[in-house]
Amino acid sequence: AQTVTQSQPEMSVQEAETVTLSCTYDTSESNYYLFWYKQPPSRQMILVIRQEAYKQQNATENRFSVNFQKAAKSFSLKISDSQLGDTAMYFCAFMSPQGGSEKLVFGKGTKLTVNP
Amino acid sequence: KAGVTQTPRYLIKTRGQQVTLSCSPISGHRSVSWYQQTPGQGLQFLFEYFSETQRNKGNFPGRFSGRQFSNSRSEMNVSTLELGDSALYLCASSLGARGYTEAFFGQGTRLTVV
Repeated sequence: AQTVTQSQPEMSVQEAETVTLSCTYDTSESNYYLFWYKQPPSRQMILVIRQEAYKQQNATENRFSVNFQKAAKSFSLKISDSQLGDTAMYFCAFMSPQGGSEKLVFGKGTKLTVNP
Repeated sequence: KAGVTQTPRYLIKTRGQQVTLSCSPISGHRSVSWYQQTPGQGLQFLFEYFSETQRNKGNFPGRFSGRQFSNSRSEMNVSTLELGDSALYLCASSLGARGYTEAFFGQGTRLTVV
């Protein structure tokens, strides 16, 4: 069974600074996807960024980028120029499309607070 | 384009009762998944439906059931409610086609069992 571990329950960062959230996962699959989701107080999960395992290049989306280390099974999220609106729970998630299923396996989450 | 709609947003039920939660996916999406979110266990997968068929199921007791209708709308039912069923229940929809398709989440239903 796949597992996802986020070792930082809480983090804080000053506005405009950079912060990195950690995530490790365990799987024996070769074809899979990794995601970072954001859940603000409104509760709605929003996809921040995704990475296909077969792509060596790290994904980037504006101020968000990942460091994907496949051999180490590590998938960290870097947020640059942090903004107050980045305050939220961040969840790392894994998906292996075996049998067509798109089941997501989530980590426990990291609560990020951006301070003014 | 309307997003994923979950109803109701909040529910308070008594132990032993049953409850039905509803999820309307984004138009054109054929896959619907359900997750339970609690402070202790985090986000746990309940089940996944595609074209009215259950495609995957999580490790939950038989009190938890679901179904999907021909218009892709989905419902989940919890019978004989227990205090531990208090949680945020999230629904996600996707195209469900072969390969990866992005999952979009609803705002969830907050269920409180007293």
